[in-house]
Amino acid sequence: DAGVIQSPRHEVTEMGQEVTLRCKPISGHNSLFWYRQTMMRGLELLIYFNNNVPIDDSGMPEDRFSAKMPNASFSTLKIQPSEPRDSAVYFCASSFSGEGTQYFGPGTRLLVL
Amino acid sequence: KQEVTQIPAALSVPEGENLVLNCSFTDSAIYNLQWFRQDPGKGLTSLLLIQSSQREQTSGRLNASLDKSSGRSTLYIAASQPGDSATYLCAAQGGKLIFGQGTELSVKP
Repeated sequence: DAGVIQSPRHEVTEMGQEVTLRCKPISGHNSLFWYRQTMMRGLELLIYFNNNVPIDDSGMPEDRFSAKMPNASFSTLKIQPSEPRDSAVYFCASSFSGEGTQYFGPGTRLLVL
Repeated sequence: KQEVTQIPAALSVPEGENLVLNCSFTDSAIYNLQWFRQDPGKGLTSLLLIQSSQREQTSGRLNASLDKSSGRSTLYIAASQPGDSATYLCAAQGGKLIFGQGTELSVKP
């Protein structure tokens, strides 16, 4: 299995632009998680899907952030408009169940200028 | 609200030493406790998962213990090697997975 796939791996954009991050979970996993990692705040859960349905989005910082999972093999995290404080590494993870071992993708390193 | 703390923040040891990384959590109502490894610029790799009903899990040179009543977990690494150098994160799951800030381990040849 290829593991969790994320794209792009690096993204540099200017403040105000729309950013879309993509994730393909491991085949057969029914739970998908989006995390953000910064030096100041560490690793934080943004949103969690189970069977393509958002279960917990309490970590989504504000309305500028949105996430979708149109099918079991694809999810997006969108930031519109982006701000410099959104600069971070964004990880996608998947698991067979919501309480099982989570497998992380390589992350997308986002820099908003 | 669950809070997870890892001590120390950084640790440097000579190759061959046995070492212990510490993790504490404030809410004992957890499903499991997970240990991850993160190499610089990379994602997280799962090392061990201890269910709330278990006391410990072992994988090779790694042994993780869980004491729910005291809100503590430890990761024991035997006979450390330079390849073990990485940041080690623990995470408590009671609903969502809450991560500690990690311990940055450096094993010197």
